[in-house]
Amino acid sequence: EDQVTQSPEALRLQEGESSSLNCSYTVSGLRGLFWYRQDPGKGPEFLFTLYSAGEEKEKERLKATLTKKESFLHITAPKPEDSATYLCAVQERGNNRLAFGKGNQVVVIP
Amino acid sequence: EAQVTQNPRYLITVTGKKLTVTCSQNMNHEYMSWYRQDPGLGLRQIYYSMNVEVTDKGDVPEGYKVSRKEKRNFPLILESPSPNQTSLYFCASSVRPRETQYFGPGTRLLVL
Repeated sequence: EDQVTQSPEALRLQEGESSSLNCSYTVSGLRGLFWYRQDPGKGPEFLFTLYSAGEEKEKERLKATLTKKESFLHITAPKPEDSATYLCAVQERGNNRLAFGKGNQVVVIP
Repeated sequence: EAQVTQNPRYLITVTGKKLTVTCSQNMNHEYMSWYRQDPGLGLRQIYYSMNVEVTDKGDVPEGYKVSRKEKRNFPLILESPSPNQTSLYFCASSVRPRETQYFGPGTRLLVL
């Protein structure tokens, strides 16, 4: 069973059309949850780290939130340059490995 | 500039021919890691290292070896590559496991 599940797999948005990406996780104790952005052919680029339920972080048009079972990445009034694959990863307490979800591929149409 | 570098960026090889992909970071990070990324499977961790001479298996270690003789370097070794190891490989580093990982630009490997 996957520890990290991201939905939807793919999303097409009109420029300015706000939406949310979901990352649900099943680890027994969360040490940290990470959001990354990845452009085609490039390495993942760090966006946010969340450590405890209720925590929120914001950067430009992106806002990440965390509950005990899932995280959301809200994209407000997206622009074409927000087109990318967004990756969620979790680290479990007592475990030094990092488990990634399969990503949310976002395309923003002008 | 703080960065993680990988070499080579692109590699075509044949089955059974040993190869090494190098990874180096200039941020004095203790934690380093290797991932492979395949369509439909996402990023999967191959090996990680907590510090010099300390390495451990990730989720898909079969067919790979690593070493950590110096803090800045973490090479990935494929002793006898097979076609199912054709993939995009990323190296990453962080201060500690729970901290942000910084990724290299990737190495695209094709094994014929």
